[in-house]
Amino acid sequence: QSVLTQPPSASGTPGQRVTISCSGSSSDIGSTFVFWYQHVAGAAPKLLIYRDDQRPSGIPDRFSGSKSGSSASLSISGLRSEDEAHYYCSIWDDSLKGIFGGGTKLTVL
Amino acid sequence: VQVVESGGRVVRPGGSLRLSCVVSGFSFEAFGMSWVRQVPGKGLEWVSGINWNGDSTSYADSAKGRFTISRDNAKNSLFLQMNSLRAEDTAFYYCAREGDYGGVDDWGQGTLVSVS
Repeated sequence: QSVLTQPPSASGTPGQRVTISCSGSSSDIGSTFVFWYQHVAGAAPKLLIYRDDQRPSGIPDRFSGSKSGSSASLSISGLRSEDEAHYYCSIWDDSLKGIFGGGTKLTVL
Repeated sequence: VQVVESGGRVVRPGGSLRLSCVVSGFSFEAFGMSWVRQVPGKGLEWVSGINWNGDSTSYADSAKGRFTISRDNAKNSLFLQMNSLRAEDTAFYYCAREGDYGGVDDWGQGTLVSVS
């Protein structure tokens, strides 16, 4: 069981906005940056959000991240079929030790 | 940026395996690297990390004492030596580069290790 808790599944229809939560505590999410990754089976995981709410170049602004206290969220607006994937929140320390949430499977209906 | 893992195969319980990761498109010697795995049907699990010059390493509890991470900056290569393999080590193993702002950013497509 990860210290970062995500709902196992989420769903939405094309064009909708979906939000995936990541819950932790003051000693993890509450004290460090949160990163979000998208993983499609058989492909390399992709960094979507770094440092809570920053998007790497090339990531559409449909993807956004936020954090409040010991919880973080990933929102996807204008949902598309290609967004169907697993999404993971994670935190990292200075020694490159990482912790991932359990992952959320997003289904586009 | 290209990250390519290799070395995964079927191995017997108790056996050993060495995974390799070759990178290109960036200055390998300037970045820390990590190994992350995914048991089929399960989530991502960080396994091990190494700093830019190899003098600092860290391991998940599941890997401590059995796995060793190393790197060869002259060959743009990262390695994971895995000993005393168990069935629960069966997973896709991904190599990932330290991000400019923390975490990891670029990942390979993984190599499958099957302990059976």
